[in-house]
Amino acid sequence: DAEITQSPRHKITETGRQVTLACHQTWNHNNMFWYRQDLGHGLRLIHYSYGVHDTNKGEVSDGYSVSRSNTEDLPLTLESAASSQTSVYFCASSASPGGPYNEQFFGPGTRLTVL
Amino acid sequence: QKEVEQNSGPLSVPEGAIASLNCTYSDRGSQSFFWYRQYSGKSPELIMSIYSNGDKEDGRFTAQLNKASQYVSLLIRDSQPSDSATYLCAVNEGGVTGGGNKLTFGTGTQLKVEL
Repeated sequence: DAEITQSPRHKITETGRQVTLACHQTWNHNNMFWYRQDLGHGLRLIHYSYGVHDTNKGEVSDGYSVSRSNTEDLPLTLESAASSQTSVYFCASSASPGGPYNEQFFGPGTRLTVL
Repeated sequence: QKEVEQNSGPLSVPEGAIASLNCTYSDRGSQSFFWYRQYSGKSPELIMSIYSNGDKEDGRFTAQLNKASQYVSLLIRDSQPSDSATYLCAVNEGGVTGGGNKLTFGTGTQLKVEL
């Protein structure tokens, strides 16, 4: 069955370190998204991609980067981890629309703690 | 800033009752609307999508959309303890001709179904 996976599921790191969170989907979806979820803020969009070599900034992109070299993967990199980036990170994907249909499907999430 | 508003709850209903969850959105041009269910410690799961004014029913769930009032709701009939979760409302920013596939999420309403 097609799925979307994230790794690691839990990560503890130190301030200033570079961290990469992996997202892999086998839906063959063109569109992929990274969100962070914090109490009181809900899901906030970090970066997104509509296809290979396409990347776009979301509302909370500072301190994060992504690259898309193939359809299946969209890794999220924290260039220099900060305590404010302690959060739960979700990857999602959706098919290219033929109309206004944009159902996104989520991975299991990565809980990141920055000490 | 496009906004999606939900009452954070908790909304408590007795088992077997109808739970009514509400959501308002600010972008009048929004075209697609989604309800996700999120259990504690888990990822969001898509349960309903709606694109046209009126009601859409799927089992015990009914989504209602009123674009003129910028209002979308989710009714859960015969509520069960297993329905206890946080329900997220999401709105697609763009229509058929623009805005892409990005979703804006509300902060969610916590539902508790009591025995």
